[in-house]
Amino acid sequence: DSGVTQTPKHLITATGQRVTLRCSPRSGDLSVYWYQQSLDQGLQFLIQYYNGEERAKGNILERFSAQQFPDLHSELNLSSLELGDSALYFCASSPGTGGLYEQYFGPGTRLTVT
Amino acid sequence: QQQVKQSPQSLIVQKGGISIINCAYENTAFDYFPWYQQFPGKGPALLIAIRPDVSEKKEGRFTISFNKSAKQFSLHIMDSQPGDSATYFCAASRGETSGSRLTFGEGTQLTVNP
Repeated sequence: DSGVTQTPKHLITATGQRVTLRCSPRSGDLSVYWYQQSLDQGLQFLIQYYNGEERAKGNILERFSAQQFPDLHSELNLSSLELGDSALYFCASSPGTGGLYEQYFGPGTRLTVT
Repeated sequence: QQQVKQSPQSLIVQKGGISIINCAYENTAFDYFPWYQQFPGKGPALLIAIRPDVSEKKEGRFTISFNKSAKQFSLHIMDSQPGDSATYFCAASRGETSGSRLTFGEGTQLTVNP
């Protein structure tokens, strides 16, 4: 158990809908990262927040957004969902920001768009 | 653009044998190279990591070998066990202080036969 928690574990929704995925980092960690894992794209970095501020952005679609709250938990919002958004979404956390810190992954949220 | 290439895609090893997974990277700014282990239905778990100031790092049965001039690194699993059967991902990141992201390889599905 990495100490990173994610809810929900599974999510099934229809095309065009909006969902929110939640992540709580390990105790004391200030950075939260979001990754998408799919069969065709592999593990892809989406976005990073550090202490409430966006720090790095990957190939995140404009339909997706994220934020980190004062209690350091983070939410990933996915809107206007398409079939291709079906994937595993992982959150990771680290104590700080930058390449000096190891990232620890949560158990993921499996999103199925029908 | 795939910046980290991983091979083989799948690997079958007998119990007690050595499993070897290779990765090559393109971006010379990468300076942190972790390996993650992922079991079905679980998030990636950090296994071992190396920085380019050393050529080898060993932790128990797991060893990373790093060749900076060739821009390659590999994971060796000694005395492979059936419990090691999982998907292994190499990754790389840059030591930016402003933010960091992991760039993952495609993954190697390891099967260790009893």
